[in-house]
Amino acid sequence: DSGVTQTPKHLITATGQRVTLRCSPRSGDLSVYWYQQSLDQGLQFLIQYYNGEERAKGNILERFSAQQFPDLHSELNLSSLELGDSALYFCASRRASTGELFFGEGSRLTVL
Amino acid sequence: GQQLNQSPQSMFIQEGEDVSMNCTSSSIFNTWLWYKQDPGEGPVLLIALYKAGELTSNGRLTAQFGITRKDSFLNISASIPSDVGIYFCAGHQGGGSEKLVFGKGMKLTVNP
Repeated sequence: DSGVTQTPKHLITATGQRVTLRCSPRSGDLSVYWYQQSLDQGLQFLIQYYNGEERAKGNILERFSAQQFPDLHSELNLSSLELGDSALYFCASRRASTGELFFGEGSRLTVL
Repeated sequence: GQQLNQSPQSMFIQEGEDVSMNCTSSSIFNTWLWYKQDPGEGPVLLIALYKAGELTSNGRLTAQFGITRKDSFLNISASIPSDVGIYFCAGHQGGGSEKLVFGKGMKLTVNP
């Protein structure tokens, strides 16, 4: 158990819809990272938050947005969903002292 | 987005054999991390490297941070069936960047 909690584990929705994925980082970690992993693909960095503020941005589409709340949990919002958005979405929190990232079990999104 | 060059992309070995994989980059990295991902789960940290030239072991796993800071390798000795999975290298470039860049992964199959 990494200590990072993601919900929901599975989500099936239709094209054009909007979904929200939730992540709770490990206790004491201030940074939250979001990654997308499509079938048989590597991990694509989407966005990072640190203590409520956006810190780094990767290949995140304009249809996607994220935020980190005062209690440090984070949400990734995906809107106007397309078939190609079907993927595993991982959240990770970073141990500040070592830079190591600890991943949640992921949210599997299927867009039909 | 930037990615590390990880090779080989896949390996099929017999139980008991050793396996090596490596990651290279055109940029200097301050931290190298090696992760393993089982199907349907999040990546799990195996080894973290923080200094150029550092050689670190974790059981049957050995990893090294290249002297040039542009590469790293991971060895698995005496492979067992549960070593099956996808192995990712990842690195922090430092210099204020907190983004963790991933390789595309190496899929390992171990035949009993």
